[in-house]
Amino acid sequence: QKEVEQDPGPLSVPEGAIVSLNCTYSNSAFQYFMWYRQYSRKGPELLMYTYSSGNKEDGRFTAQVDKSSKYISLFIRDSQPSDSATYLCASTTGGGNKLTFGTGTQLKVEL
Amino acid sequence: GAVVSQHPSWVICKSGTSVKIECRSLDFQATTMFWYRQFPKQSLMLMATSNEGSKATYEQGVEKDKFLINHASLTLSTLTVTSAHPEDSSFYICSAREGAQPQGYEQYFGPGTRLTVT
Repeated sequence: QKEVEQDPGPLSVPEGAIVSLNCTYSNSAFQYFMWYRQYSRKGPELLMYTYSSGNKEDGRFTAQVDKSSKYISLFIRDSQPSDSATYLCASTTGGGNKLTFGTGTQLKVEL
Repeated sequence: GAVVSQHPSWVICKSGTSVKIECRSLDFQATTMFWYRQFPKQSLMLMATSNEGSKATYEQGVEKDKFLINHASLTLSTLTVTSAHPEDSSFYICSAREGAQPQGYEQYFGPGTRLTVT
């Protein structure tokens, strides 16, 4: 079993839709949870991070972590074609160096 | 701020030759750099962690003699793929961590290097 599981998609939505991206994880020691956006043939770009359980909002993006169910979510409101990319969730233990990534979900926002 | 560059962005080499990839932190000092490999439609897999001035720590299953990592300065780390074979063809991405950040999330990623071995 992978430590971080993510549906690879692809996920196709119309412009303006609310997008929900999800991951599950198995390592109870994970404390920090991140979402990265990766455009084709580019390196990942950090979108948001959350420590422990809770919600965090940044503009159109909301990250949510439920440690009791080991579930990580990213919501994108008013999705735009420029949001089309692969979204990777990642987790790490507190104070640890290693990031464990999910496989990424490919998102396409269509006009 | 927090920009990481990689060079080259794309390289093609013949089987059996060696290829060096550079990773630079442009506007900060990176005490720790990480090297990842990403196959098409797959996630990033950590290959090794390198701290400036010391030997790299390799992940299980990664051949240290094949993937040579040097972190000679606080702004530069290099990955050399020795005796490359077609199965080494992949997207190699580095990341860098600034200073003494305790949390692992403070990593800034480079744009990646696409290696094709023919």
